[in-house]
Amino acid sequence: EAGVAQSPRYKIIEKRQSVAFWCNPISGHATLYWYQQILGQGPKLLIQFQNNGVVDDSQLPKDRFSAERLKGVDSTLKIQPAKLEDSAVYLCASSLEGGGYDTGELFFGEGSRLTVL
Amino acid sequence: GQSLEQPSEVTAVEGAIVQINCTYQTSGFYGLSWYQQHDGGAPTFLSYNALDGLEETGRFSSFLSRSDSYGYLLLQELQMKDSASYFCAVRGATNKLIFGTGTLLAVQP
Repeated sequence: EAGVAQSPRYKIIEKRQSVAFWCNPISGHATLYWYQQILGQGPKLLIQFQNNGVVDDSQLPKDRFSAERLKGVDSTLKIQPAKLEDSAVYLCASSLEGGGYDTGELFFGEGSRLTVL
Repeated sequence: GQSLEQPSEVTAVEGAIVQINCTYQTSGFYGLSWYQQHDGGAPTFLSYNALDGLEETGRFSSFLSRSDSYGYLLLQELQMKDSASYFCAVRGATNKLIFGTGTLLAVQP
């Protein structure tokens, strides 16, 4: 079974530039999550989709971050304009149902490491 | 709000047993999960407790006490490859999976 795919793995940009990350979840997984992980910290949830609807985006900085999940499968996360404090690893995860109720299990991709200079 | 507390670092020797504690405060509670993350890698799921008690999976066990808002991950027969960060994560009433700040485990020969 293929895992969660993310690209690009690494991205370096100047502040005020824009960047986009792509995620392809495990086939059949209804729920998709984007987490931000700053070095030395735990993953912080940015947005959660159930199929192609947003379940929670309360911690997404909406003035600069946006995300969409087209047709309930792939998802993109965009940052525009980027700030220095956006330097982090952006992790995409998926689960069978909302929140992995039965097992609490999320499947994570390898992440996209963003450096903002 | 929701918060989770874990020790920042733990050091142990190969073959030993180590326990990583997690205390949490949430509005509502569905369960406590544990994830392992090697440096530069993705978090990988280890265990999940929805009810009080001990869950065992090979060398790893996880415990939950809902009345104490407390859980722990127990790692036995430690191996060098167990050196990693370990995160507890709680799903609360908001249905979000909230992660702790992580415990860096260093296994020494």
